[in-house]
Amino acid sequence: RKEVEQDPGPFNVPEGATVAFNCTYSNSASQSFFWYRQDCRKEPKLLMSVYSSGNEDGRFTAQLNRASQYISLLIRDSKLSDSATYLCVVKAGGYQKVTFGTGTKLQVIP
Amino acid sequence: EAQVTQNPRYLITVTGKKLTVTCSQNMNHEYMSWYRQDPGLGLRQIYYSMNVEVTDKGDVPEGYKVSRKEKRNFPLILESPSPNQTSLYFCASSSTGTGNSRWDNSPLHFGNGTRLTVT
Repeated sequence: RKEVEQDPGPFNVPEGATVAFNCTYSNSASQSFFWYRQDCRKEPKLLMSVYSSGNEDGRFTAQLNRASQYISLLIRDSKLSDSATYLCVVKAGGYQKVTFGTGTKLQVIP
Repeated sequence: EAQVTQNPRYLITVTGKKLTVTCSQNMNHEYMSWYRQDPGLGLRQIYYSMNVEVTDKGDVPEGYKVSRKEKRNFPLILESPSPNQTSLYFCASSSTGTGNSRWDNSPLHFGNGTRLTVT
């Protein structure tokens, strides 16, 4: 089983739709969680950190469920510019353990 | 501007010809790391460094070397490149601060990538 798993998609959604991605992790020692956005062939860029109580940044909402070991990302009112691959990143306790999911591809359609 | 700078952006080389990909950050970050990204496999860690003169292997270190002589620089060296090292490479850095709390809350900052082709 992979340490961090994501549905690769692609998720094809119309503009204005709400879409949600999940990311599951297997290491119960995982301490912190992030969502990154990656455009084609470009570097990943931080979208948002994921806090235990859940957090929101504009149209984006991140949730953490430690009991079931998954994090989620909700995008409301999808824009064409949201089309990208969304990477889940998990840090375990200890400096060196950073694990990436393989990403979920989102395509927002006009 | 805070950034991680990689060079070159694109590199085409032949099997066996030594090459170096440079990475430099201006954020005084202690932690630096190299990743390769291949279709369907996601980002895989090659080497990382906790600080000057402190380096360690990641998940896929074979065929690569690194050095950390200065805090800001973390070059990736391919002594004898092979076609299976054709990939998209990213350097990243992060603050570690003091204690796990600071590290855990610090995101990785990525360079803009190096697309390497070995023929």
